[in-house]
Amino acid sequence: ETGVTQSPTHLIKTRGQQVTLRCSSQSGHNTVSWYQQALGQGPQFIFQYYREEENGRGNFPPRFSGLQFPNYSSELNVNALELDDSALYLCASSSRQVGEKLFFGSGTQLSVL
Amino acid sequence: DQQVKQNSPSLSVQEGRISILNCDYTNSMFDYFLWYKKYPAEGPTFLISISSIKDKNEDGRFTVFLNKSAKHLSLHIVPSQPGDSAVYFCAASARYSGAGSYQLTFGKGTKLSVIP
Repeated sequence: ETGVTQSPTHLIKTRGQQVTLRCSSQSGHNTVSWYQQALGQGPQFIFQYYREEENGRGNFPPRFSGLQFPNYSSELNVNALELDDSALYLCASSSRQVGEKLFFGSGTQLSVL
Repeated sequence: DQQVKQNSPSLSVQEGRISILNCDYTNSMFDYFLWYKKYPAEGPTFLISISSIKDKNEDGRFTVFLNKSAKHLSLHIVPSQPGDSAVYFCAASARYSGAGSYQLTFGKGTKLSVIP
């Protein structure tokens, strides 16, 4: 059984650029959620995907978008990067069986200069 | 507006003693609560949860207590071990009143240090 994997682990971008983060969910899980964790804060819900459709969204602007693929892997895209987007981005997978007991990846540390 | 609050950024406890981590929430729609543990350079891992229909849930050394009237929950670790040193996040969801997504609202976390 493979866990949740995220790539890349670290990324440096400049303001205004675009970034794509990737996530492979745990085997058997069909739901993927993305969270942003700023320094000194708890994870904040961005959005969730189920069966390739967005199924819930937090208080994030439209420049944050995502995709889920038929194999349940997922991408998070952020356009027009801002300095405040610097954070740890966490992907979590789940299923009806585990519910809110999300399984998190180790995250992608994004730095926007 | 923080809906889940962990007012203690850090806590130090001697090995073998009890660790008590506290969490308060403001949203009455929350009906399911979880604790996650996070080590540096790793993602959060699920520790224990409790539904709003219960006031206590126990799993080995870990016990979570829920006081709905006070909108307060706590995590007790007995006995504390050095390997328990980590950041602990309290999280909540509106499982039965939300849109069906497993959306969690997290607190800022409490860094627990267990001293040998």
